[in-house]
Amino acid sequence: AQRVTQPEKLLSVFKGAPVELKCNYSYSGSPELFWYVQYSRQRLQLLLRHISRESIKGFTADLNKGETSFHLKKPFAQEEDSAMYYCALGPNQAGTALIFGKGTTLSVSS
Amino acid sequence: ETGVTQTPRHLVMGMTNKKSLKCEQHLGHNAMYWYKQSAKKPLELMFVYSLEERVENNSVPSRFSPECPNSSHLFLHLHTLQPEDSALYLCASSQEWEMNQPQHFGDGTRLSIL
Repeated sequence: AQRVTQPEKLLSVFKGAPVELKCNYSYSGSPELFWYVQYSRQRLQLLLRHISRESIKGFTADLNKGETSFHLKKPFAQEEDSAMYYCALGPNQAGTALIFGKGTTLSVSS
Repeated sequence: ETGVTQTPRHLVMGMTNKKSLKCEQHLGHNAMYWYKQSAKKPLELMFVYSLEERVENNSVPSRFSPECPNSSHLFLHLHTLQPEDSALYLCASSQEWEMNQPQHFGDGTRLSIL
């Protein structure tokens, strides 16, 4: 079964601390993985996708097929990073929509 | 910002009312989606339209009725809803209905059923 698991509902860190938002997926093929972010009172928006291999707002995520993980990382958290983060799986099949995890709320305090 | 626009932003209705949610996108995309975002559940895909044809219906109750008159507009008609239908309803669009296209989301409609 295709599934995305974000084990943490809430992650609280201090400003300047490293952040790792966990995401594990279940899919037999070669998926595409995404991270979406929703800041307070803003729309859900794409943060990054694994095929781009880019860093957005200091965040990176590496696809680990062996561990079926796509954890989101940032070395030094900022208060403005506080938001809801969703990991999403894009099955590599034409005509299949994204599958989202339940989301993790990141709270960064000073 | 041109993008995905949803109206209304908030809607309160009784269980016997009939209302509609509207979504409009100015991105030239061919696929549009309705999602339900409840507080304690993953984002749930409800419907997908590609080139104005419904291509996916994820076991959504018939009290939710989508309509896609053209590739820029998507509606969700609501009637005789239940309290558990209270949620944030998100509309999204993507270039095509295939192969992991990034989706652009609207701000959502916050629906409360009395």
